[in-house]
Amino acid sequence: NAGVTQTPKFQVLKTGQSMTLQCAQDMNHNSMYWYRQDPGMGLRLIYYSASEGTTDKGEVPNGYNVSRLNKREFSLRLESAAPSQTSVYFCASSGYEQYFGPGTRLTVT
Amino acid sequence: AQSVAQPEDQVNVAEGNPLTVKCTYSVSGNPYLFWYVQYPNRGLQFLLKYITGDNLVKGSYGFEAEFNKSQTSFHLKKPSALVSDSALYFCAVRDTGFNDYKLSFGAGTTVTVRA
Repeated sequence: NAGVTQTPKFQVLKTGQSMTLQCAQDMNHNSMYWYRQDPGMGLRLIYYSASEGTTDKGEVPNGYNVSRLNKREFSLRLESAAPSQTSVYFCASSGYEQYFGPGTRLTVT
Repeated sequence: AQSVAQPEDQVNVAEGNPLTVKCTYSVSGNPYLFWYVQYPNRGLQFLLKYITGDNLVKGSYGFEAEFNKSQTSFHLKKPSALVSDSALYFCAVRDTGFNDYKLSFGAGTTVTVRA
């Protein structure tokens, strides 16, 4: 039982490059989430998926897209990375409480 | 709209002393409340939650929290802090008045326990 897994752990991009962050959970949860964590700002919700086949915007969706591939997997895509997207990204899934992955540390230069 | 405030950026205590991390919330319906802990370069770990019932909830690692509806607070407490409790703590709320599962997080409180 791995819980929530994320890949990659670290990534450096140049401005304008694209990438996809992968997330998978093995807890049979319906709901999954993508957050970004910036110093002094806590966690801010980017997108979430209440169930397979549905996605909704969170607080800070601009510059991101998501895909709920199946019940287990929820990916986050940056189409054209910007320095403002330098952050640590966390995926989570939930029953009552949310369970978090280990995070992806992204730097955009 | 739901929101959480953690009024202290940092809390410093000596090992063996009581530890309190403060949290207040705002919701339109009834709250589900959560505490998470984050160690350096790690994801968030669930500590405890209040859904309904007893206002005093007990969680992992000897932590507890008290739900106070009149003061809209959910403070995290530990009777005797350990150096290993040094970490970043987040309070979170879900408003049950809305039919979704989103949590709102506070900005976090850094706890330092000195030996």
